[in-house]
Order: sequence, then C-alpha cells, then structure tokens
Amino acid sequence: QSALTQPPSASGSPGQSVTISCTGTSSDVGNYKYVSWYQQHPGKAPKLMIYEVNQRPSGVPDRFSGSKSGSTASLTVSGLQAEDEADYYCSSYAGSNDFVVFGGGTKLTVL
Amino acid sequence: EVQLVESGGGLVQPGGSLTLSCAASGFTVSTNYMTWVRQPPGKGLEWVSVIYSAGSTYYADSVKGRFTVSRDNSKNTLSLQMNSLRVEDTAVYYCARGATPGNYYYYYAMDVWGQGTTVTVSS
Repeated sequence: QSALTQPPSASGSPGQSVTISCTGTSSDVGNYKYVSWYQQHPGKAPKLMIYEVNQRPSGVPDRFSGSKSGSTASLTVSGLQAEDEADYYCSSYAGSNDFVVFGGGTKLTVL
Repeated sequence: EVQLVESGGGLVQPGGSLTLSCAASGFTVSTNYMTWVRQPPGKGLEWVSVIYSAGSTYYADSVKGRFTVSRDNSKNTLSLQMNSLRVEDTAVYYCARGATPGNYYYYYAMDVWGQGTTVTVSS
C-alpha cells in the first residue's frame, strides 16, 4: 500500500487560511469516508485533529476543518496562529488487511 | 485520565529481538482496537499493526511474519514482540487507541497516543 501524497510544505501569515491536500487512490481516500488528520509538534506524539473527513474531536478548535472530493482530501486551517506551526499528516482507511495508510506529512510554517 | 505509556525500546543488533509494552490507564485495552505506529528518524508516520477487541490482528507488509501484537487483559497492557529486526526498523514506536463511539463502529483514526519509545537497530 503506497503512502498518500501530501505537499512537503505549506505556509501562511497569522490570521490567514491555509489548505493542505492529501491525494490517494480509489483503494483508500476515494473509497472510504475514514480520512483523518494529525498534528505533530517536534518531539511530541501526533494529535488527532480531524476524523471521518470533517469531524473534530472535542477540544480541537473550529479553525480546523476537513473536506474530501474524489480521491483527494484537504485540511484547512483558518485564522492561522503561531501554535499551528507543526507537521500535519493525513491518513485513510485502506481495507481490513492494510488498516490505514498515512501521507508523507506537510510542514506548516506560520510566517 | 486516559493515558498510554510505552516502554521497552533500546539498542539492538540486526537480527535481534525486542518486546515493546504499552500500559493503558483510564480505559480498557481489551474493549478497544489498539494500534502500533512508528516513525523513522526525520520521516513520516507508518502504521505497523492493529489488534481488535475480538482478537483479530493485522500487520503492515514490512513487518508481517516478524512482529506480533498481543495484549494482557489482566495488566491492561499492549505488547509488540519484534523479531529478526532490521536497520530499517529503527524508529520511534507509538501505541495508540483506535477511535470509536462504541458498538463496534470504528472511525479508523487514533485518538489517544503514547509518548513513544525509541528502537535503534544497529551493529
């Protein structure tokens, strides 16, 4: 199972919005609603930010939103804040044998 | 407080074995689906294995036949037995709980993560 494709980097100024894409195939993103997004600060464990394409766990700010079209999912961070600077990973269910596949990660820089 | 704490990482020679443990608190391991995810130095996340509440297990192709996931219900812990270790298995290993609203419905996302334990395979 190949990794999902994410841009290696993204950036925006405080207060702006930035969107990170995550491209898969008809075997993963295109076939299931189980797309998740994780935030990881340096030296820390990942944190679940979005599940089932656009659902936010309790405690995640509504500045974070998710969407999907075909085999491409997206994470949008609105009203960028300094603490949003981190690595972001998407993942998708890929069937019972492969469970989930991750994207390569996107480093978000707040300028 | 819901928490996961991994242990057991270390330095091991290629071909060697190591067992990682993950102690859970605040919830019951056996009634959830639990995963291992690893992250090589400077690289992205890679799913390693999953064990469902019914006991079924699945593995990434890269570790199939070498790694075994299990749980100890009496100790509320998850384990990962790693054999025939390779240099490319070097990574931080995280245990994580699968997100679910219950009733055997799965979000196929991980909502609780441990702090990770480092495995280095080198001669």
